[in-house]
Amino acid sequence: AAGVIQSPRHLIKEKRETATLKCYPIPRHDTVYWYQQGPGQDPQFLISFYEKMQSDKGSIPDRFSAQQFSDYHSELNMSSLELGDSALYFCASSFGTGGSSSPLHFGNGTRLTVT
Amino acid sequence: QKEVEQNSGPLSVPEGAIASLNCTYSDRGSQSFFWYRQYSGKSPELIMSIYSNGDKEDGRFTAQLNKASQYVSLLIRDSQPSDSATYLCAVNRANAGKSTFGDGTTLTVKP
Repeated sequence: AAGVIQSPRHLIKEKRETATLKCYPIPRHDTVYWYQQGPGQDPQFLISFYEKMQSDKGSIPDRFSAQQFSDYHSELNMSSLELGDSALYFCASSFGTGGSSSPLHFGNGTRLTVT
Repeated sequence: QKEVEQNSGPLSVPEGAIASLNCTYSDRGSQSFFWYRQYSGKSPELIMSIYSNGDKEDGRFTAQLNKASQYVSLLIRDSQPSDSATYLCAVNRANAGKSTFGDGTTLTVKP
């Protein structure tokens, strides 16, 4: 079965650079979520989109922005990168009504390292 | 106080024993509850979902939910070394577009 696809798997950037992470949800899933997970920490919710509209917003820095496109894929854009942005970034998708009762299906994540 | 709290780990059990993982949540409006398993460096994967009070069994896993006590647990019977992982409790509020995760409990099953 198709899963959530994230790219790239690994990304190394320098401070103050810009990064773009991509996520392709499971076909027919209408909700996409972005989570950030630091070493030894639980996933922290950044932002979600339902039917291409932002549905919820968490602890996403102003330096970050995201959107969901007409084909339901999503991109997380990160600017003015800081060392503290180094983390695993997971995208997840779910189906139905903004996902209030649906479990999340996670991609394999993008490991971002800022040097 | 965190919205979702899990019993502090790490938790170590011998192979074949029962592992008990606990989770409490603060928002009484929470509607959906999930347990995810995450191996080091990998993405979380869904183990169990539970939506109503009581027990839900799936193979060696049993989830228990008590909304009055705002408590959800996961029991793993006949624990295997392959069950060694971090277990994340996640809670969804009604009409919320996200899951809130606990800090996770790291389980080690010793052969």
